[in-house]
Amino acid sequence: DIQMTQSPPSLSASLGETVSIECRASEDIYSNLAWYQQKSGKSPQLLIYYASSLQDGVPSRFSGSGSGTQYSLKISGMQPEDEGVYYCLQGSKYPTFGAGTKLELK
Amino acid sequence: EVQLVESGGGLVQPGRSLKLSCAASGFTFSDYYMAWVRQAPTKGLEWVASISYDGGSTYYRDSVKGRFTISRDNAKSSLYLQMDSLRSEDTATYYCTTESPQWVMDAWGQGASVTVSS
Repeated sequence: DIQMTQSPPSLSASLGETVSIECRASEDIYSNLAWYQQKSGKSPQLLIYYASSLQDGVPSRFSGSGSGTQYSLKISGMQPEDEGVYYCLQGSKYPTFGAGTKLELK
Repeated sequence: EVQLVESGGGLVQPGRSLKLSCAASGFTFSDYYMAWVRQAPTKGLEWVASISYDGGSTYYRDSVKGRFTISRDNAKSSLYLQMDSLRSEDTATYYCTTESPQWVMDAWGQGASVTVSS
C-alpha cells in the first residue's frame, strides 16, 4: 500500500494569512493526488484533483501543486469558512488518505 | 444537482450482517464508478470498496475482503454494501461516493452510521 504522510497535524491561521498543507507519498504517485475539506459534522468536499485542478465551485484561493512524492495545498488568504479538516488522497494505486490536518482560525 | 442518500445503518452485534443502500439522483448513475468510504468516530477517512460502471469489476481494501460485498443496480440508480461478519473495528460512518478516474471521489452522501457492539 502507498502511505501518505500529511503535515502538519494541526495549524492555526489568522484572517487573510496564507496557509500550506503538505502530503508526502511513500512512492511516486504521478500527480494522482486529490485534496478534500471536511467541516465539522459534514461530509468531505473535493477541492483539488490531479494535484492542481480546481474542482468546479471551489474558491480560487485554494490551489494545489506538486509532483512525484511531494504535494501541497495552499490557501491564499484564510477565511472563517475555511476552518475544518483537510485530507489528501492518493489515487495511483488502491486509494489511501492522509491522516488529516485540522485548520483553525486564530 | 448530484444527490447521494445512504440508508440502512444502525446498531448490530459482532458477527452479524447489515446492508447499506445509496440512492443516487441528479446524474447518469451508470456513467460513474461508485465507492464506499468510511470514517471511524473521531478518525480519518478510509476507502472501503469500489465498483465499475456495470458492476463487472469490484475492488476492496484487505480488511474487508471476503466479508463485504459492493454491488449496484443501474436500473434503480442504487449502490449497495453488504457487510457480513461485522467486527467492532467496522464501526464508522459510511459514505457513498461517485468515483472519477484515478480513484477521485467527487460527490459524497451525508453518511450512514454503523455501530458494531454487543
